[in-house]
Amino acid sequence: AQSVTQLDSQVPVFEEAPVELRCNYSSSVSVYLFWYVQYPNQGLQLLLKYLSGSTLVKGINGFEAEFNKSQTSFHLRKPSVHISDTAEYFCAVTLTGYSSASKIIFGSGTRLSIRP
Amino acid sequence: GAVVSQHPSWVICKSGTSVKIECRSLDFQATTMFWYRQFPKQSLMLMATSNEGSKATYEQGVEKDKFLINHASLTLSTLTVTSAHPEDSSFYICSASRTSGVTGSQYFGPGTRLTVL
Repeated sequence: AQSVTQLDSQVPVFEEAPVELRCNYSSSVSVYLFWYVQYPNQGLQLLLKYLSGSTLVKGINGFEAEFNKSQTSFHLRKPSVHISDTAEYFCAVTLTGYSSASKIIFGSGTRLSIRP
Repeated sequence: GAVVSQHPSWVICKSGTSVKIECRSLDFQATTMFWYRQFPKQSLMLMATSNEGSKATYEQGVEKDKFLINHASLTLSTLTVTSAHPEDSSFYICSASRTSGVTGSQYFGPGTRLTVL
């Protein structure tokens, strides 16, 4: 079975500072990896995804993530955060080789709070 | 493209009543829709997978008689919470998968906040 661990439940960061949100996964088979952002009282928005190819994935809003197979990690980074980045961030996995109807397994989420 | 809507966005009901939540894919066809529940400050928990024209597949621990799911068309799935109780209060989010497209892509609705008094 697949699982996702987000190591930090909360990450406070000053505005314009860099940030890294950590995500580790466990799976005996290949997976696809995702990062989603959820603003208060809203649904989820896809930030970026890793399906194959380059291990460094760039997403929206200046975020990027690096897939590290040996460490089974998919950490999310941004070099300079903005107040508007305050949100909940979810790491997620789904099995490869399946259709887009595959189940997504979510991590517990990391609340990113940006201080002015 | 790939917009998913939910209606209503929030609902308050009395204990014992039933509530229906709609999930629509506005600009694409979705053979599969997923229903999630999210409690405050927690992650999304998959409740069920809904395929158009067939019965939904429920996750372990989810009562199928309490959470009725209907996926009557390629653009609409509904979740009915029957005989709702305060413990059913939660944020319900649906997602939809295209019939074609990038593997693993689901598009999420904005969510429905249910409060049962």
